[in-house]
Amino acid sequence: AQSVTQLGSHVSVSEGALVLLRCNYSSSVPPYLFWYVQYPNQGLQLLLKYTSAATLVKGINGFEAEFKKSETSFHLTKPSAHMSDAAEYFCAVSERNQGGKLIFGQGTELSVKP
Amino acid sequence: GAGVSQSPSNKVTEKGKDVELRCDPISGHTALYWYRQSLGQGLEFLIYFQGNSAPDKSGLPSDRFSAERTGGSVSTLTIQRTQQEDSAVYLCASSLKNEQYFGPGTRLTVT
Repeated sequence: AQSVTQLGSHVSVSEGALVLLRCNYSSSVPPYLFWYVQYPNQGLQLLLKYTSAATLVKGINGFEAEFKKSETSFHLTKPSAHMSDAAEYFCAVSERNQGGKLIFGQGTELSVKP
Repeated sequence: GAGVSQSPSNKVTEKGKDVELRCDPISGHTALYWYRQSLGQGLEFLIYFQGNSAPDKSGLPSDRFSAERTGGSVSTLTIQRTQQEDSAVYLCASSLKNEQYFGPGTRLTVT
């Protein structure tokens, strides 16, 4: 069965530092890949998605992610963290031709220190 | 335009009672999904509707859970004989193609 692993349930960075949130998936066929952000007491907001076009995907709020088939990874990065980036981030996959239901990682809580 | 809306935002119920959670998807979106978010289990898929096709119920945890989607739009998730382990945030999402747009969720507390 498809699974998603996010390394690190909690990541802390200083304001202005690089943000790197890791995501690995298990699938022999590259799935669709997504990153979502969740602010406290809110729903999930789509940051970016990979659906087989360019492997480097740019999203909202300065985030980007690179799909690496050889590593089955889809890590999320942002060059310079801002205080407003503090939130929980979820990596998710959906199998092609499986209706689009999402399988989520366990989430990574990002803290940004001033 | 209007996003996905869910009601109620919070629901407290006694163990053994039935509850109904409502989802209003984005107009024109053909697919609708229900997920559950809990501390112990993270985010789990529950059920998926696509147009007039039979729903994918593979994520429903027990036969106490059911869902309907009327007229290809509004959906209701029903939990019968609620148990304490049903306490969670229930999220609804709708999509037209590959992107799912989520509602704010309904926080269910079973006492």
